[in-house]
Amino acid sequence: NAGVMQNPRHLVRRRGQEARLRCSPVKGHSHVYWYRQLPEEGLKFMVYLQKENIIDESGMPKERFSAEFPKEGPSILRIQQVVRGDSAAYFCASSGDRGPYEQYFGPGTRLTVT
Amino acid sequence: GENVEQHPSTLSVQEGDSAVIKCTYSDSASNYFPWYKQELGKRPQLIIDIRSNVGEKKDQRIAVTLNKTAKHFSLHITETQPEDSAVYFCAAAGAGSYQLTFGKGTKLSVIP
Repeated sequence: NAGVMQNPRHLVRRRGQEARLRCSPVKGHSHVYWYRQLPEEGLKFMVYLQKENIIDESGMPKERFSAEFPKEGPSILRIQQVVRGDSAAYFCASSGDRGPYEQYFGPGTRLTVT
Repeated sequence: GENVEQHPSTLSVQEGDSAVIKCTYSDSASNYFPWYKQELGKRPQLIIDIRSNVGEKKDQRIAVTLNKTAKHFSLHITETQPEDSAVYFCAAAGAGSYQLTFGKGTKLSVIP
């Protein structure tokens, strides 16, 4: 019973580099959500995707951030030209139904920008 | 948009006592209210959720109550154990919305 998988678990990037975070949802789930968590804070919604479609990206910064969920393979959150303020834990969640219900989270990727 | 306030930010209880965490939300259209438990360095785990068509839901030592009129909901943990120590997050989502809006969390410490 594989849950949501994320990799890498830890990622260190220098300012200006690109970060690619991967998320494989629970088998059979076709809905993926990305959240960002800063230290001592709750999770902030970034983007919701279904296979090959971005449904809601209202929480994602308009520049440097992009997300995809291709027909085959994991969902990818891409951050270009990283800055120190991008340092955070990025969590992916998946659900089996449309909507916000019963989202199961992965272990997160902790991004550190030096 | 939705705004969720969570109180208290920290809570210490003796083992065996009850713990109560409260959240308020701003969007009267919200209809889904999950609670997550996050241990240090781990993933948030869904522990219980409630939809707006019920006022209370219970699962063993955990219960959630919802007051739609007052726009608040609470998590109750009875007979607390040291392994209940973690950060607990409430969240809310509105009808037609896909995103969960989270509170800032409550750090629960259960003292043996």
